[in-house]
Amino acid sequence: GDSVTQMEGPVTLSEEAFLTINCTYTATGYPSLFWYVQYPGEGLQLLLKATKADDKGSNKGFEATYRKETTSFHLEKGSVQVSDSAVYFCALHSYNTDKLIFGTGTRLQVFP
Amino acid sequence: DAGVIQSPRHEVTEMGQEVTLRCKPISGHDYLFWYRQTMMRGLELLIYFNNNVPIDDSGMPEDRFSAKMPNASFSTLKIQPSEPRDSAVYFCASSPPRRVGGDRGFIYFGEGSWLTVV
Repeated sequence: GDSVTQMEGPVTLSEEAFLTINCTYTATGYPSLFWYVQYPGEGLQLLLKATKADDKGSNKGFEATYRKETTSFHLEKGSVQVSDSAVYFCALHSYNTDKLIFGTGTRLQVFP
Repeated sequence: DAGVIQSPRHEVTEMGQEVTLRCKPISGHDYLFWYRQTMMRGLELLIYFNNNVPIDDSGMPEDRFSAKMPNASFSTLKIQPSEPRDSAVYFCASSPPRRVGGDRGFIYFGEGSWLTVV
């Protein structure tokens, strides 16, 4: 079935470092892809999305490109801030089941 | 808009007691989801409704769990009897009417109900 695999955390970085969180997927057809972020004590909120191959989603300095050839949707940010510390979830919308399927989440910790 | 509203935010209860979690989705949204989040299992979809009708409850762990949506602005998730392994954060989420392609999969989460069963 459809699934999402993302790198295990925690990812620990210093402020202003470059961030990459890897995400790969398995799906039938052409799913929509998403990154959600969960700040401490809060629910998940949409960070960015891409709905077709080669689309780039971006928001708050974060970017991810829908790569069909490598079935990947890696999250990147050029310069992280302490306020970016959170758990990041990669997700896909499965057309087979009409469900949003989440990865296990990757915790990011940014230190000053 | 106020967003998805959940109550209670925190609950501590004794094993065997009944627990009822409540959710008010965003007005105009016709999909409602209940998720459970734990360290061990991550984020699990328990059940979802469309236009107040349960569509898929395959994620509901066992008969102790039940969910209802009596109208478009209210849903409950009930656990009876509760067990320590039910301790988790329970999220309610909602989404607007689905369009073809585009924003399918874009959902809005509440802040969660943190349940501890002792």
